[in-house]
Amino acid sequence: AQSVTQPDIHITVSEGASLELRCNYSYGATPYLFWYVQSPGQGLQLLLKYFSGDTLVQGIKGFEAEFKRSQSSFNLRKPSVHWSDAAEYFCAVVSGGSYIPTFGRGTSLIVHP
Amino acid sequence: DTAVSQTPKYLVTQMGNDKSIKCEQNLGHDTMYWYKQDSKKFLKIMFSYNNKELIINETVPNRFSPKSPDKAHLNLHINSLELGDSAVYFCASSQGTSGVSLAKNIQYFGAGTRLSVL
Repeated sequence: AQSVTQPDIHITVSEGASLELRCNYSYGATPYLFWYVQSPGQGLQLLLKYFSGDTLVQGIKGFEAEFKRSQSSFNLRKPSVHWSDAAEYFCAVVSGGSYIPTFGRGTSLIVHP
Repeated sequence: DTAVSQTPKYLVTQMGNDKSIKCEQNLGHDTMYWYKQDSKKFLKIMFSYNNKELIINETVPNRFSPKSPDKAHLNLHINSLELGDSAVYFCASSQGTSGVSLAKNIQYFGAGTRLSVL
């Protein structure tokens, strides 16, 4: 069965600092990987996705993520965080013939001015 | 226009009551979903409908009954509400009608319905 681990429940950064949110998945073959963002009181919105090809994918709002097969990871990065990036971030994986994504527990990003 | 809209946004009710949550998508998608997000933010699939047909039904109590009158609507009716039903319920939709295309599908989420059972 597929599973997703987001080891950090909360991450606090200062505005303008760089950001990396961790995501590890458990599955033998190459999965389909997603990052979603949930702003307060809102539903989830897709930031970026990886299916195949270039392992560094660009998303919206200046985010990028890198797929590393050897580490079973798909970490989300942003070079300079803005206060409006404060939100909950979810990593998701689809694999093994299922089409329903399995979501990680989420990482709450807090941005200090 | 909101792509996936849910009503109501908030729902406060007593134990034992029956309530419904409505969901509509105007994206022309074939597949719709209901998710439950608990107090620890875990998102868990409950149901998935494809062209009005139920295709996924996770281990959800039969007090929960989804209804899809057409492929743009997926409503969730809950009978005999219990304290443990308190959560945020998200509706979502995606394009695609078969395995591989669905697996690659981006899901579009509604803003959620926060259900509080007292």
